Amino acid sequence: GAGVSQSPRYKVAKRGQDVALRCDPISGHVSLFWYQQALGQGPEFLTYFQNEAQLDKSGLPSDRFFAERPEGSVSTLKIQRTQQEDSAVYLCATGQGSGANVLTFGAGSRLTVL
Amino acid sequence: GENVEQHPSTLSVQEGDSAVIKCTYSDSASNYFPWYKQELGKRPQLIIDIRSNVGEKKDQRIAVTLNKTAKHFSLHITETQPEDSAVYFCAASRSSGGYNKLIFGAGTRLAVHP
Repeated sequence: GAGVSQSPRYKVAKRGQDVALRCDPISGHVSLFWYQQALGQGPEFLTYFQNEAQLDKSGLPSDRFFAERPEGSVSTLKIQRTQQEDSAVYLCATGQGSGANVLTFGAGSRLTVL
Repeated sequence: GENVEQHPSTLSVQEGDSAVIKCTYSDSASNYFPWYKQELGKRPQLIIDIRSNVGEKKDQRIAVTLNKTAKHFSLHITETQPEDSAVYFCAASRSSGGYNKLIFGAGTRLAVHP
C-alpha cells in the first residue's frame, strides 16, 4: 500500500481482556518496528522484525506482550490480560532494507484500558 | 543502552521568530539523528535527518546541527509559521546486529502564535 496502515485506530478494553493490534507495512519493507507512546511522551521501542524474524524484543514490558510477523508482511501485536498501564498509542514503523534508518510511521492504535 | 534527552519540553514563539530545540545522546556509537514532527492525533513524520559524518544540514527553513564531541544535536526553525505548531521529537540510532533502532527524546511542544 501507499503507507503504513494500522488497525484498529481506537480500542477500548476492560482490564483483563486480550487485544490484538494490526500493522500493514508498506509493500516490500523489510524492517518493521513497534513502539509504545504514552501520553505526552516520546515513542518507546518495543520490538523489531526483519522480514519474519523477530530480532529484538528487548523493549516488550512483560510476557503479556507478544508480537508476530509470520509471513514477513503484516504484523500483529498482542497484549494479554490488559492492565491500565498498557493504555497508550501503539505505533508501527517500517523501512526499506534490513539496515533502514528512514522509517515511515503508521497513524497508531490508541488503546484505552478501563 | 542509548539515552536521549530533549529540551525544552515546551516552547512558545511569535510568528516569524526562530525556534531552537536541543537534544543530547549518551551512546558515542550513534550515527544517525532524525527529527520527527507530530501533529495532534497524527503519525510522526520525518522532517530532517543528519548522519554522523556531517556537522550541519539545511532544508529551507529548518536546519540541524550535530556536535559529535559533545554528543548533542539541535533543530533550528527560522521564520516560524503557525503551521509549525506541533510536537517535535529527536532520535538517535546506531547500527547493531544489522539494523538500526531509533531511541526518541520525550518531545518538545512548539506553539507559534500569530
